[in-house]
Amino acid sequence: AQKVTQAQTEISVVEKEDVTLDCVYETRDTTYYLFWYKQPPSGELVFLIRRNSFDEQNEISGRYSWNFQKSTSSFNFTITASQVVDSAVYFCALSEGLQGGSEKLVFGKGTKLTVNP
Amino acid sequence: GAGVSQSPSNKVTEKGKDVELRCDPISGHTALYWYRQSLGQGLEFLIYFQGNSAPDKSGLPSDRFSAERTGGSVSTLTIQRTQQEDSAVYLCASSQTNSYYEQYFGPGTRLTVT
Repeated sequence: AQKVTQAQTEISVVEKEDVTLDCVYETRDTTYYLFWYKQPPSGELVFLIRRNSFDEQNEISGRYSWNFQKSTSSFNFTITASQVVDSAVYFCALSEGLQGGSEKLVFGKGTKLTVNP
Repeated sequence: GAGVSQSPSNKVTEKGKDVELRCDPISGHTALYWYRQSLGQGLEFLIYFQGNSAPDKSGLPSDRFSAERTGGSVSTLTIQRTQQEDSAVYLCASSQTNSYYEQYFGPGTRLTVT
């Protein structure tokens, strides 16, 4: 069965610190997709990144970077030089799509990041 | 272009009453999803619509919950005989085709059952 674990419930950092949000997943399938979403205090979930199971290249987008390692079933998210606007709840999610028999995203419980000035 | 919209943004209802929540997906998106977000439970999948296929209802918590999607666009989630444990934020999302693609979420409907 699909499962996503975000062990860090809450993280608090000071502005300009780097911070890594952990995500570990479980799946039986070889084809799957991983996602990260941001939920700021306003409440609306914002898509950040999608990664398929066949592409283990790390990705960098500005201050954001993602480290996908199939060997450890992890898809960690790092924010470099954090800013107050990064304060939000971050969700990692997994989709097995058709192979999993059900078209849905399974979300982790989320990590609440607070960046203090 | 316009994003996913949901109405109402807030709904307060008495226990036992029926409620309807509406979702307008992004134009051209064939897949539509409903999720529920409550404290301590995270984001929970409810139901998925894809084109004209039969919906995946595997996440609906009880037979008091149902959903329709008319004309492949607007969707309505109905909760009958509401209970206090139904209080949550109900989120709608749409995507291009299936769950391999990123889902775009609406702002949600906050349901409070008193």
